[in-house]
Amino acid sequence: QVQLQESGPGLVKPSQTLSLTCTVSGGSISSGSYYWSWIRQPAGKGLEWIGRIYTSGSTNYNPSLKSRVTISVDTSKNQFSLKLSSVTAADTAVYYCARPQLSGSDAFDIWGQGTMVTVSS
Amino acid sequence: DIQMTQSPSTLSASVGDRVTITCRASQSISSWLAWYQQKPGKAPKLLIYKASSLESGVPSRFSGSGSGTEFTLTISSLQPDDFATYYCQQYNSYALTFGGGTKVEIK
Repeated sequence: QVQLQESGPGLVKPSQTLSLTCTVSGGSISSGSYYWSWIRQPAGKGLEWIGRIYTSGSTNYNPSLKSRVTISVDTSKNQFSLKLSSVTAADTAVYYCARPQLSGSDAFDIWGQGTMVTVSS
Repeated sequence: DIQMTQSPSTLSASVGDRVTITCRASQSISSWLAWYQQKPGKAPKLLIYKASSLESGVPSRFSGSGSGTEFTLTISSLQPDDFATYYCQQYNSYALTFGGGTKVEIK
């Protein structure tokens, strides 16, 4: 059974770059033709989709974040990563990686546990 | 972006009640809608996909309906484990967007 685990610094300074990695276990990131997504949730607030990547490297980003976001994939490590540049306090959130239930779908049935990232000096 | 509006934002109900949550899209999304349940400190859990398809392992008291711009999630008989926050999400077009959430509280 596929599982996802986010990792990365829990504290990032303003104006710096937030970097997170999602490690896929229990299966290959390259199998099943899935797009792999990042989603975030500020404390007490709703969910915001950040973007997604296919194992070929093809990406889609949320236009509201597109200028600051880079999502990449490393199939040899069974991981995909998020970089968010020029962060501010508004980027403080729990960050989730997620996989849809079906290739060609974007209803997410597999989620990481989430990792809290605080932007503060 | 397609805006997703959920109502109500908070709902107080008792065990055994029938509960309905509404989600409206700012433009047609066909049936490309999912519903999630989220409990504090946990990742969302997929309940319904393609507006009305029940995810494997989800109790049959949960059901979804609708198409186009108006959708509902119904819990036929609220159970203690169902007190949580529920979100809708459209996946008709990018950016994927979520509703603001509906918190189901104990009355």
